[in-house]
Amino acid sequence: DSGVTQTPKHLITATGQRVTLRCSPRSGDLSVYWYQQSLDQGLQFLIQYYNGEERAKGNILERFSAQQFPDLHSELNLSSLELGDSALYFCASSAEQEVWETQYFGPGTRLLVL
Amino acid sequence: AQSVTQLDSQVPVFEEAPVELRCNYSSSVSVYLFWYVQYPNQGLQLLLKYLSGSTLVKGINGFEAEFNKSQTSFHLRKPSVHISDTAEYFCAVSRANSGNTPLVFGKGTRLSVIA
Repeated sequence: DSGVTQTPKHLITATGQRVTLRCSPRSGDLSVYWYQQSLDQGLQFLIQYYNGEERAKGNILERFSAQQFPDLHSELNLSSLELGDSALYFCASSAEQEVWETQYFGPGTRLLVL
Repeated sequence: AQSVTQLDSQVPVFEEAPVELRCNYSSSVSVYLFWYVQYPNQGLQLLLKYLSGSTLVKGINGFEAEFNKSQTSFHLRKPSVHISDTAEYFCAVSRANSGNTPLVFGKGTRLSVIA
């Protein structure tokens, strides 16, 4: 158990809908990262937050947004969903914001868009 | 930009045999290198990382990797595998000394240990 929790574990929705994925980092960790894992694209970095502020942005679509709240939990919002958004979404956390720090991954949220 | 290539998508190996999972990276600047493991239905877990110093890095569960700058490689090895090592292994790279440049992951290598 990494100490990172993600909810829900599974999510099935329809195209055009909007969903929110939630992540609680390890106790004391200030950075949260979001990743998308799909068969064709592999594991792709989406976005990083550090202590409530956006720190780095990757291949995140404009339909996707995220935020980190004062209690350090984070939410990833996916809107106008398309079939191609079906994937496993991971959250990871680390103590600080440096890339060399160990990232601790949650178990993921599996999203299926029908 | 940095990129990483994992040369084998699947590696079958018998239990107690040695294994090497290959990783090559591309970068014009210094890098940090990582190996993560993903067990079935779980998130990723760090095995080891190279930041600087000794090119031979030892990690958890008996794994080690060697950074070879001239070959731009960071291959992962274990002298004797167990059934429990069956998992997907990801090599990742990041630009060194650049704050929070994100990790770039390879496509993964699925290690299957056969009894």
